[in-house]
Amino acid sequence: QKEVEQNSGPLSVPEGAIASLNCTYSDRGSQSFFWYRQYSGKSPELIMFIYSNGDKEDGRFTAQLNKASQYVSLLIRDSQPSDSATYLCAVTGGNEKLTFGTGTRLTIIP
Amino acid sequence: KAGVTQTPRYLIKTRGQQVTLSCSPISGHRSVSWYQQTPGQGLQFLFEYFSETQRNKGNFPGRFSGRQFSNSRSEMNVSTLELGDSALYLCASSLAPTGAYEQYFGPGTRLTVT
Repeated sequence: QKEVEQNSGPLSVPEGAIASLNCTYSDRGSQSFFWYRQYSGKSPELIMFIYSNGDKEDGRFTAQLNKASQYVSLLIRDSQPSDSATYLCAVTGGNEKLTFGTGTRLTIIP
Repeated sequence: KAGVTQTPRYLIKTRGQQVTLSCSPISGHRSVSWYQQTPGQGLQFLFEYFSETQRNKGNFPGRFSGRQFSNSRSEMNVSTLELGDSALYLCASSLAPTGAYEQYFGPGTRLTVT
């Protein structure tokens, strides 16, 4: 079982709709959770981080964390073509190492 | 505030050679981590430095090494290059270690080994 798992996609969402990206992790001792966006040919850009169970909202982005079920998700409301990118989930495990998932490729269809 | 900078941005080397990559963190950031990104393996953690000490290391052979200087700048070295070392090497900085702090990535160094 991979430490951090994401559906590789591609995930296609119509413009204006909600995009939902999911991530599961195996280490129950994980404490910190991050979402990065990576455009083709560019480096990852931090867009959200969450440490506590529940929801965290920042503009059109909402991160959701459920430690009991070991999953973290990212919702993007009112999806725009500029949101088309690969989204990487990253988790800090009990060993204090940051582990990345392989990413979900998101395409927003105009 | 200036972001993370990496030099060089592109590099072409021959098998068997060695290479040194450089990373300057965001001002005030004392932790630097290095990652290798390839299409097949995704982002793989190489190592993390804080206050000139290696705190964590990923599962890479000893040909991969790094160091951090007193001004928090970091270098990584790959000796005896292999074709499989062709990748995007990313450096990320954060205020402090433990993985609890947000990491910010530099633009990366694209290494091609021929």
